[in-house]
Amino acid sequence: EDKVVQSPLSLVVHEGDTVTLNCSYEVTNFRSLLWYKQEKKAPTFLFMLTSSGIEKKSGRLSSILDKKELFSILNITATQTGDSAVYLCAPTQGGSEKLVFGKGTKLTVNP
Amino acid sequence: DGGITQSPKYLFRKEGQNVTLSCEQNLNHDAMYWYRQDPGQGLRLIYYSQIVNDFQKGDIAEGYSVSREKKESFPLTVTSAQKNPTAFYLCASSISGGLDTQYFGPGTRLTVL
Repeated sequence: EDKVVQSPLSLVVHEGDTVTLNCSYEVTNFRSLLWYKQEKKAPTFLFMLTSSGIEKKSGRLSSILDKKELFSILNITATQTGDSAVYLCAPTQGGSEKLVFGKGTKLTVNP
Repeated sequence: DGGITQSPKYLFRKEGQNVTLSCEQNLNHDAMYWYRQDPGQGLRLIYYSQIVNDFQKGDIAEGYSVSREKKESFPLTVTSAQKNPTAFYLCASSISGGLDTQYFGPGTRLTVL
């Protein structure tokens, strides 16, 4: 059975802190892994990772995939209150082309 | 503006009634998806369609039905057979299936009284 585990489930930090969010997965016929940020409504796309060891970066956010160990991390440096959201990890299952979502990590950044 | 629209934003229905949630996209995307999200849970796939006039069941299709008569539209009907219909429903689309990123609409929060 496909499984996606995100940790921690919840995290509270102060502005300026650096956080690392984890995603481990077991998905049949893995193709890629996507990270989304959800602030009360629609998830917004952050990254798509397809190759191991290649860091993707966007401003203060970065992410990397390890296909051998079946995990990905999302790093956020110098956190801001606007980073408060639920971060969702979703590997893609090849063949069916479905996304398998984890439960998410709820990040709260306090001023 | 290009994007995905869902309507209504909030929907209330009495138990036993069917209800249809709208999803429209003008991105010229081939693939469209419906997800359900419950508090503290990840998104679960209800139905998806990779091309017009074709759709497949996702992981939790029981009690739901869809149609894909037009490329732009993928309405979801929540039937009275769905035992716990109160949830947040998200529609998404992608250029095609596979490695393409899915982009989400704003969601519809359905409450069954």
